[in-house]
Amino acid sequence: GQNIDQPTEMTATEGAIVQINCTYQTSGFNGLFWYQQHAGEAPTFLSYNVLDGLEEKGRFSSFLSRSKGYSYLLLKELQMKDSASYLCAVMDSNYQLIWGAGTKLIIKP
Amino acid sequence: IAGITQAPTSQILAAGRRMTLRCTQDMRHNAMYWYRQDLGLGLRLIHYSNTAGTTGKGEVPDGYSVSRANTDDFPLTLASAVPSQTSVYFCASSASTSDPTDTQYFGPGTRLTVL
Repeated sequence: GQNIDQPTEMTATEGAIVQINCTYQTSGFNGLFWYQQHAGEAPTFLSYNVLDGLEEKGRFSSFLSRSKGYSYLLLKELQMKDSASYLCAVMDSNYQLIWGAGTKLIIKP
Repeated sequence: IAGITQAPTSQILAAGRRMTLRCTQDMRHNAMYWYRQDLGLGLRLIHYSNTAGTTGKGEVPDGYSVSRANTDDFPLTLASAVPSQTSVYFCASSASTSDPTDTQYFGPGTRLTVL
């Protein structure tokens, strides 16, 4: 079966760095996505990785290791507005997104 | 309008009733999707459409139907609602279904409660 695993909840302090991990087992691989979802709102796109390595985009970076079925999202200089759920999704061989349950990130002052 | 709109925002429905959730996009995207999001579970694909006039089944299609008469609209119908269909429903669109770099954009969601 297809499976995406990520921690249910994480807590971090404003100004700090946090790493949210995602492991996956899917039928085929056409890329890994990270989305941000604030409570009561729609998911919004953060990043896309298809090759191994680190993609940096401002305060957010995303890493992929295809051989290990592993990715992480790194958030630096955390701000209160970063409090949200972070969703990991993998595009399978049918070009459909398989979603993890999301990691709720709580930022404390 | 800009992006994707969904209606209604929320709805309480009696079991057995028929309900259509509306979704409209103005980005001229070919592909559209319906997901449901339940606590503790990832987004699950209900139905999708690669282009106007075609539809396909996702992971959890039972009890739902869709149509794609034109590029902009992709309504989701619950023929006879059951309590297990209580969920938040998101419509999404992307330029295509076959290019992974085509990001999926999401509507604001419809919160549906079936009693």
